[in-house]
Amino acid sequence: DIVMTQSPEFLAVSLGERATINCKSSQRVLYSSNNKNYLAWYQQKPGQPPKLLIYWASTRESGVPDRFSGSGSGTDFTLTISSLQAEDVAVYYCQQYYSSPLTFGGGTKVEIK
Amino acid sequence: EVQLVESGGGLVQPGGSLTLSCAASGVTFSSYWMTWVRQAPGKGPEWVANINQDGSEKNYVDSVKGRFTISRDNVKNSLYLQMNSLRAEDTAVYYCARASPRLDYWGQGTLVTVSS
Repeated sequence: DIVMTQSPEFLAVSLGERATINCKSSQRVLYSSNNKNYLAWYQQKPGQPPKLLIYWASTRESGVPDRFSGSGSGTDFTLTISSLQAEDVAVYYCQQYYSSPLTFGGGTKVEIK
Repeated sequence: EVQLVESGGGLVQPGGSLTLSCAASGVTFSSYWMTWVRQAPGKGPEWVANINQDGSEKNYVDSVKGRFTISRDNVKNSLYLQMNSLRAEDTAVYYCARASPRLDYWGQGTLVTVSS
């Protein structure tokens, strides 16, 4: 199984400042035949299902604000919120869909400092 | 608009059974893999099982193999999860999600509580 390790577990950022979340996979999730990283990022608010933000490691889902961006390849990935807004308070998860079992990171809780 | 609506959750005793359903609308259901993901109270999401477009390929997380069965009915646009021999550690909100292959649409979930 591919293990996804996120850091930090908790992140407190001032409004308007940058938030950076890291995700490391225990195996490469880059599929060589199409050069795509099978890595997604989700946002989850209390009482709601996870919401897809980023897929293929760096493609923003339709309707997601452009302050959210994803980067990285192979085994190391980053989700960046360029200017934190109050509505971004949530838990963020990375997830690999390269192979079954699909696995999630442990989550990063983002709060306002 | 894609909608996924889960049902069938509830309170069940350890060792009992339950069948969850997920009704899909606004989507060409038969064109996509579908997935069940669960989330225990205060924990992160855990992928449970997935099924391909015609139901010929199914995958399960090790902890539910032999106890849970995923299935689908492409005529009824519905996804199912038959859960047997339920344990306390199966207590969670169960979500169905479309896999394209990322999980781009999710239902609101149905709560399964396993307790005596």
